[in-house]
Amino acid sequence: QKEVEQNSGPLSVPEGAIASLNCTYSDRGSQSFFWYRQYSGKSPELIMSIYSNGDKEDGRFTAQLNKASQYVSLLIRDSQPSDSATYLCAVNSGGYQKVTFGTGTKLQVIP
Amino acid sequence: EAGVTQSPTHLIKTRGQQVTLRCSPISGHTSVYWYQQALGLGLQFLLWYDEGEERNRGNFPPRFSGRQFPNYSSELNVNALELEDSALYLCASSFRQARDTQYFGPGTRLTVL
Repeated sequence: QKEVEQNSGPLSVPEGAIASLNCTYSDRGSQSFFWYRQYSGKSPELIMSIYSNGDKEDGRFTAQLNKASQYVSLLIRDSQPSDSATYLCAVNSGGYQKVTFGTGTKLQVIP
Repeated sequence: EAGVTQSPTHLIKTRGQQVTLRCSPISGHTSVYWYQQALGLGLQFLLWYDEGEERNRGNFPPRFSGRQFPNYSSELNVNALELEDSALYLCASSFRQARDTQYFGPGTRLTVL
């Protein structure tokens, strides 16, 4: 089982819709969770971090964490074509610092 | 405030050569991380340096090495280059107090011919 799993996609949504990106992780001791956006050929850009169960909202983005289910998600409301990118989930597994990245989900927002 | 910087932006080498990539972290950050991202693949963790020491290493052969300087900048060295080393090499940095919040540089695109 991979430490951090994401559906590779592509996930296609129409402009203005809600995009839902999901990530599962294997280490129950994980304490920090991150979503990065990566445009093709560019470096990852931090979008959200979440540390506690529940929802965290920042503009059009909402991160959701459920530690019992070992599940973290990212919702993008009112999706725009500029949101088309690969979204990476990253998890800190605690202990002496280890951050593991998922392979990413490619999102396509169709105008 | 300046972000993470990397040099060079692009590099073309031939098999068997050696290469050195450089990274300067965000001011105040003491940890530097190196990742390899081959075309179409995910981020593969290479190395983590903090306070001048190598703290963790990914599943890469010893010809991948590096160091961190007293000013917290870092170098990644790759010896005996192979074709499969062609990739985007990303450097990230973080605060000691929030080690897991990593901010990435623009990367160095290495092509091995």
